[in-house]
Amino acid sequence: DAGVIQSPRHEVTEMGQEVTLRCKPISGHDYLFWYRQTMMRGLELLIYFNNNVPIDDSGMPEDRFSAKMPNASFSTLKIQPSEPRDSAVYFCASSRKTSGKTDTQYFGPGTRLTVL
Amino acid sequence: GNSVTQMEGPVTLSEEAFLTINCTYTATGYPSLFWYVQYPGEGLQLLLKATKADDKGSNKGFEATYRKETTSFHLEKGSVQVSDSAVYFCALRVSSNTGKLIFGQGTTLQVKP
Repeated sequence: DAGVIQSPRHEVTEMGQEVTLRCKPISGHDYLFWYRQTMMRGLELLIYFNNNVPIDDSGMPEDRFSAKMPNASFSTLKIQPSEPRDSAVYFCASSRKTSGKTDTQYFGPGTRLTVL
Repeated sequence: GNSVTQMEGPVTLSEEAFLTINCTYTATGYPSLFWYVQYPGEGLQLLLKATKADDKGSNKGFEATYRKETTSFHLEKGSVQVSDSAVYFCALRVSSNTGKLIFGQGTTLQVKP
């Protein structure tokens, strides 16, 4: 399997611009997670989906952030408008449920976002 | 609430030294515990896990034992290599139903030849 795929790997944008990060989970996985990693705050869970439905978005910082999962093989995290404090590495992870329990989370390589 | 506390880094060791990275947790119920490793420029990878008290997780020479009495899950390795240099994250999962993980801050390990 190709693993979790994220694009782009690096994104540099200017304050106020819209940014869209993309994720393709591992085929057959039921859960998809979006994380943000910064030096100051560490690794934070932003939102996660189960079978394409958002379950918990309590970690989404503010209304500028939105996430969608239109189908089982694709998810986006959008920031509009972007701000310099959004600069971070954004990870996508996926996992599956077997025998009623969720399995290991597999992480993508991350998208390094820089907002100037 | 649920939380994970790791020892602060960076931890700097010489090759073949013994490694311990401390991890303690606070959780309701009976969580599962994990160690993830992040190599430079990459995403996190599962290193080992333990799902119940007294379980020992092990992989690639690393070990951690789930100690319910001390709410700890310390990571150990008897002889580190330069290739072990990475950031190590302790995490807990309260509910196997959701799979949601709570991570510690991460501990950077640097191994010098």
